[in-house]
Amino acid sequence: GDSVTQMEGPVTLSEEAFLTINCTYTATGYPSLFWYVQYPGEGLQLLLKATKADDKGSNKGFEATYRKETTSFHLEKGSVQVSDSAVYFCALEGRASGTYKYIFGTGTRLKVLA
Amino acid sequence: KAGVTQTPRYLIKTRGQQVTLSCSPISGHRSVSWYQQTPGQGLQFLFEYFSETQRNKGNFPGRFSGRQFSNSRSEMNVSTLELGDSALYLCASSSTPTDSYNGYTFGSGTRLTVV
Repeated sequence: GDSVTQMEGPVTLSEEAFLTINCTYTATGYPSLFWYVQYPGEGLQLLLKATKADDKGSNKGFEATYRKETTSFHLEKGSVQVSDSAVYFCALEGRASGTYKYIFGTGTRLKVLA
Repeated sequence: KAGVTQTPRYLIKTRGQQVTLSCSPISGHRSVSWYQQTPGQGLQFLFEYFSETQRNKGNFPGRFSGRQFSNSRSEMNVSTLELGDSALYLCASSSTPTDSYNGYTFGSGTRLTVV
């Protein structure tokens, strides 16, 4: 079945460091791909999305490119801030995934130190 | 416009009791999905409602049920609570089920603790 694998956390970085959070997926057909962010005590917020191969989603300095050949959707940011500390979830919308609508990765906790 | 509203924010229940959680989607959104989030299992899909009809259901026991009203508000109910039901329950809305390719809007969740 469809699945999402993202790198284990926590990831600890200094402010202004470069961020990469890896995400790979397995899916039937052509899923849409998403990154969501969850701040402490809150629900998930959509960070960015890509709906077809080679699309690049971007928002708030974060970027991710839909790579069909490597089935990946890695999240990157050139210079992280303390306020980026949160848990990041990679997700796919698998239209051929049976009873599941969205498949979420396990989440990667990011901690940015001043 | 107002976001997705979930009530209550926090709940403590005893094993064997039942609980009802409420979700009001963004105005105009008619599709509501529910997820359970736990440290061990991550985010797991419970069910999805659209136009008062359950469209999809995840792999949860029958103790978990839900419904949607004509104003698109949704409730989920868990009967005969078990300790393992302790979790953050998240509600997500989209205008229609197929619009979810644009991404969901999530509520802040209801934190359920079963003691």
